[in-house]
Order: sequence, then C-alpha cells, then structure tokens
Amino acid sequence: NAGVTQTPKFQVLKTGQSMTLQCAQDMNHEYMSWYRQDPGMGLRLIHYSVGAGITDQGEVPNGYNVSRSTTEDFPLRLLSAAPSQTSVYFCASSSLGGTQYFGPGTRLLVL
Amino acid sequence: GIQVEQSPPDLILQEGANSTLRCNFSDSVNNLQWFHQNPWGQLINLFYIPSGTKQNGRLSATTVATERYSLLYISSSQTTDSGVYFCAVLSGGYNKLIFGAGTRLAVHP
Repeated sequence: NAGVTQTPKFQVLKTGQSMTLQCAQDMNHEYMSWYRQDPGMGLRLIHYSVGAGITDQGEVPNGYNVSRSTTEDFPLRLLSAAPSQTSVYFCASSSLGGTQYFGPGTRLLVL
Repeated sequence: GIQVEQSPPDLILQEGANSTLRCNFSDSVNNLQWFHQNPWGQLINLFYIPSGTKQNGRLSATTVATERYSLLYISSSQTTDSGVYFCAVLSGGYNKLIFGAGTRLAVHP
C-alpha cells in the first residue's frame, strides 16, 4: 500500500494564480482532510470529508475549495493564491474514529 | 473551541537521557494522538490513546482523560528522536483533530 500520497512536493505560485493540490489514499478510508502548517505552529484544519460527495469546512477554510468525487481522492484548490497561503499542506485519511495517517506534505510558496 | 497546550516548547537532551512531554486539553475529548515530525517534515503516528497507558519500544504514553492531560515518555533518547512532537485531540465528530503547538526536541550525541 502506498498509504497517503500528495503531489506536487513543492510549488511556487505568483499572487492571483490558481492551482490544485492532489491527495490520494489507497486504504479505503472514509475520512479525509487537509491541514496547513505554518512555521512554529501545529497543524490547522482547512476542509474535511466524511465520504464521497460530502465535504465541510474546518478551522481555516477561506481561499480554499475541495470536492470528493471518489473515496480515494480529495483535491484542494487554491482559487486565487495569496502570500498568506504560503505554508506546508498536509493531507490525512482515516477510518471514522480511527488513527489518522498523514501524507508527506506539499510546500507552497506564493510570491 | 477546545485548547491544546504542550510543554515544554523546547527541550535539549544528551543522548541516553530520559524525558517527559506533557499535553493539556481544555475539554473532554473523544481521543488523542501523539505524532513525531522528523527533521524532513514527515508526520509519524506514535500513539492513539484515549485513556490508559501504551508502550512502543522506548516510547510510552499515558492519558488521564478525567484530568485532561496526556504524557509522552521517551527513555534512553537517541539522535533520531530529534524533531517536533505534537499532541492532537479528537473533538466532536468526524475525526477533527486539534493540534497543540508542539515540543521541539534536540538530542545531541
């Protein structure tokens, strides 16, 4: 099993550009989520999904969109990138109530 | 919302020393996880521990849910233990983890 995979590993964007961060898991987990980690801080929840077709907002959702068309994939879209979105983004998956497993992260720099 | 506080924020050890990291949380939680973020940024699950004590090699964890704290013990520390240790609590439904700010550990040879 590959576990949780994320692409790309690194990305540089200009202010105003849009992009999609990809996340996939092969563990048949119902629950998937996106977090961001800023320097010296813990992770903060952006959006989450409890199954295909079901998404909801987390702690810091502004500027991000998500969709969940399949169990395996949970992409995160930045609609119009801003320097404040410079961060490391982690995707996680779990069974409901189970241990969360994290992907390797995507480092994003917005100029 | 629920608050998660970790202490100490920074810790420097000599190889072979023991340490205790603490996680306090402000409300009842459904569950609690400990993670290690290595120097390459990877988040590694250590323990999934709503209550009681678990051990895995040189690491062990204890959660006392009624008193709203958890402890992570590292014995005979090694340089590979360096990194940041996060406590995260599961609050409400749907596996929404709330993270503490972490304890940054440096183990010197």
